[in-house]
Amino acid sequence: KNEVEQSPQNLTAQEGEFITINCSYSVGISALHWLQQHPGGGIVSLFMLSSGKKKHGRLIATINIQEKHSSLHITASHPRDSAVYICAVRFNFGNEKLTFGTGTRLTIIP
Amino acid sequence: DGGITQSPKYLFRKEGQNVTLSCEQNLNHDAMYWYRQDPGQGLRLIYYSQIVNDFQKGDIAEGYSVSREKKESFPLTVTSAQKNPTAFYLCASSIQLLETQYFGPGTRLLVL
Repeated sequence: KNEVEQSPQNLTAQEGEFITINCSYSVGISALHWLQQHPGGGIVSLFMLSSGKKKHGRLIATINIQEKHSSLHITASHPRDSAVYICAVRFNFGNEKLTFGTGTRLTIIP
Repeated sequence: DGGITQSPKYLFRKEGQNVTLSCEQNLNHDAMYWYRQDPGQGLRLIYYSQIVNDFQKGDIAEGYSVSREKKESFPLTVTSAQKNPTAFYLCASSIQLLETQYFGPGTRLLVL
């Protein structure tokens, strides 16, 4: 069964802390996406990656294909980073759609 | 400004009624998608369209219908056959089918 699991489900941290959110998947993929959902519901795509590492500002996404695992890191976290972070993957073999994780709710306290 | 819009923001449906959710994009994207989001669950794909005049069922198409008569528009109709329509509906588009998706602000559908 093609599954995506995220951990933790909820994460609360103090402003300035280094944040790590994890995503694991069950079988081979062609691409993995990290998305951010704001409290109002809007979703923004942060990264699409198939190998290695990508960085944008204070956000870093890594993927280990062999271990079927990806992490999203936030450095110097800020209250405006509070959101739900969603991992989505495109599984191999005839799949044209994304399978989404249930998300990690991040709260950064000032 | 280029973007993707959805309307209305909130929609109320009476029992037995069909309702249509609007999705418009001016990004010149070929592919468009409809997702449903329920509390505690990941987004689930309802329908997608790779190109104008073409669309395919997603994982949970029963009780929904779509059309793609224009490149910029992909309306979703929630029919009376959908027994549990209360959810947050998100539309998205991408340049092509496998590329990064851009999401609209969503429509929250409630049943009276």
